[in-house]
Amino acid sequence: DSGVTQTPKHLITATGQRVTLRCSPRSGDLSVYWYQQSLDQGLQFLIQYYNGEERAKGNILERFSAQQFPDLHSELNLSSLELGDSALYFCASSSPSSGKYEQYFGPGTRLTVT
Amino acid sequence: LAKTTQPISMDSYEGQEVNITCSHNNIATNDYITWYQQFPSQGPRFIIQGYKTKVTNEVASLFIPADRKSSTLSLPRVSLSDTAVYYCLVGPSGGYQKVTFGTGTKLQVIP
Repeated sequence: DSGVTQTPKHLITATGQRVTLRCSPRSGDLSVYWYQQSLDQGLQFLIQYYNGEERAKGNILERFSAQQFPDLHSELNLSSLELGDSALYFCASSSPSSGKYEQYFGPGTRLTVT
Repeated sequence: LAKTTQPISMDSYEGQEVNITCSHNNIATNDYITWYQQFPSQGPRFIIQGYKTKVTNEVASLFIPADRKSSTLSLPRVSLSDTAVYYCLVGPSGGYQKVTFGTGTKLQVIP
């Protein structure tokens, strides 16, 4: 158990819909990262937040947005969903004190768009 | 971020030592080398990290030559449960940059 929690574990929705994925980082971690992993794409970095502020952006679609709240939990919002958005979405957190690339990953949310 | 190159896949018998090499020719002075392990449908798990020479923990060893242009993850006496994808990452400390996991090396341990 990494200490990072993600909800829901599974999500099935239809094309065109909007969903929100939630992540709670490990206690004390200020950074939250979101990743998308689909069968044919590998693990793709989407976005990073540090203490409520966006710090780095990867290949995140304009239909996707994220935010980190004052209690440090984060939400990833996916809208106008397409079949191709079906994937595993991982959240990870890290501590600034580690100063390195040591991220702790949650169990993921499996999104299925039908 | 430094680009990394790893073998796409490797097979090994149970009980053998497995060495997975990662090339990172354009590694920067302040870059660290980090390895993650990922099982199917699970998030990656941090294995080991190093800057130079050799680092060892209870799971693996990481060998980094003096020029730091490559690194080797060594898994002693692998078991079937070590079957996973192994990712090599190279990047500066602080973690404030885009993180690229690449395609990783799929290790298959054979009984």
